[in-house]
Amino acid sequence: GENVEQHPSTLSVQEGDSAVIKCTYSDSASNYFPWYKQELGKRPQLIIDIRSNVGEKKDQRIAVTLNKTAKHFSLHITETQPEDSAVYFCAATSFTDKLIFGTGTRLQVFP
Amino acid sequence: DTEVTQTPKHLVMGMTNKKSLKCEQHMGHRAMYWYKQKAKKPPELMFVYSYEKLSINESVPSRFSPECPNSSLLNLHLHALQPEDSALYLCASSPSEGGYGYTFGSGTRLTVV
Repeated sequence: GENVEQHPSTLSVQEGDSAVIKCTYSDSASNYFPWYKQELGKRPQLIIDIRSNVGEKKDQRIAVTLNKTAKHFSLHITETQPEDSAVYFCAATSFTDKLIFGTGTRLQVFP
Repeated sequence: DTEVTQTPKHLVMGMTNKKSLKCEQHMGHRAMYWYKQKAKKPPELMFVYSYEKLSINESVPSRFSPECPNSSLLNLHLHALQPEDSALYLCASSPSEGGYGYTFGSGTRLTVV
């Protein structure tokens, strides 16, 4: 089955700096890679996703890159703000299979 | 309506109690899920319903009993729980079974005393 590894487990940055979170997956059949943001005590919310036929996707300050050959994908947040502080989960799946989550990254943005 | 609604938001129950968690969506999604999330951990899949039929049971103890009365509703019946079952219970739905297009509910924070 699919296995997703996520690094780092914690990440502290100064406001305005960039943050990068990396994930690797094991199943070459996986073709959909969402990222979720979960604030303390709240639901996971989809912030960006990418399909395997695309190498990069950007939405304002957030971007995701995918390297299918190496089986890894990354979340990039530029110009970080205190409200970006949360736990971020990557996930991987094929469209017909279970969603497999990474272990999570706690991002802290200091003013 | 683009939301998944879960009730109650908080629940404290004793180990001999019987309680139910409820989940509702009106997005026409045909797959619904129960997840359990412990602090600082990713959501852990418990059950999947697809077209109102139980599709996946991730070897969950029988003290958790899911029910899908119709395509919009999902219940989780709880009985004889243990303190280690205390967690955030998340419901989710998606257009069809699989990992695409998930919408999570706000969750029920369950404490077993």
